[in-house]
Amino acid sequence: EVQLVQSGAEVKKSGESLKISCKGFGYSFTSNWIAWVRQMPGKGLEWMGIINPGDSDTRYRPSFQGHVTISADKSISTAYLQWSSLKASDTAMYYCARLGVGATSNLRWFDPWGQGTLVTVSS
Amino acid sequence: QTVVTQETSLTVSPGGTVTLTCASSTGAVTSSYYPNWFQQKPGQTPRALIYSTSNKHSWTPARFSGSLFGGIAALTLSGVQPEDEAEYYCLLYYGGGQWVFGGGTKLTVL
Repeated sequence: EVQLVQSGAEVKKSGESLKISCKGFGYSFTSNWIAWVRQMPGKGLEWMGIINPGDSDTRYRPSFQGHVTISADKSISTAYLQWSSLKASDTAMYYCARLGVGATSNLRWFDPWGQGTLVTVSS
Repeated sequence: QTVVTQETSLTVSPGGTVTLTCASSTGAVTSSYYPNWFQQKPGQTPRALIYSTSNKHSWTPARFSGSLFGGIAALTLSGVQPEDEAEYYCLLYYGGGQWVFGGGTKLTVL
């Protein structure tokens, strides 16, 4: 079964650093880009960025650039999202999702999704 | 800043039909935007429903369909069931690895 499994919930204080993970199972991890999505409490989904685990090519949504770092370690089939200095406004659920691409490249989908990692930052 | 606009909320009666729309601030949405639709129920992970405009996943109920019309992506639910009450999000591709979610539509079945 193809699945993404994320690391557990985190409770941190403002100014602390954090790295959460998303591990792929059941497929060749380097074959698909992995996206990160934020959902703040009671709010909608926000696209943060995406990484190609094969070569670590990373694209950020401009509003997230410089605030988070997306990385991957293909040797252990794991993608990461990290902060060097958390803020209370980083409190949110974070999801990873795999980008699927059809053979002719005219089909693109996001599945599966990880179960989400809840990050709570207190000031 | 690119904005993807969806209806904030819609209400439909059980058995009825409803269309949710997804518009781009940059202009007409085409198949090159690979419109994706997701369903999210409270406390749950988003679930993929439709990809690349109109393609269904194996688990997507037949009553859900995706389309493009008038430069807007649309998700139509025909024969709505009570379990379809949820938040629905569209996702569009803008090139260079950039995707943008719509703000979501809260669908109430009443």
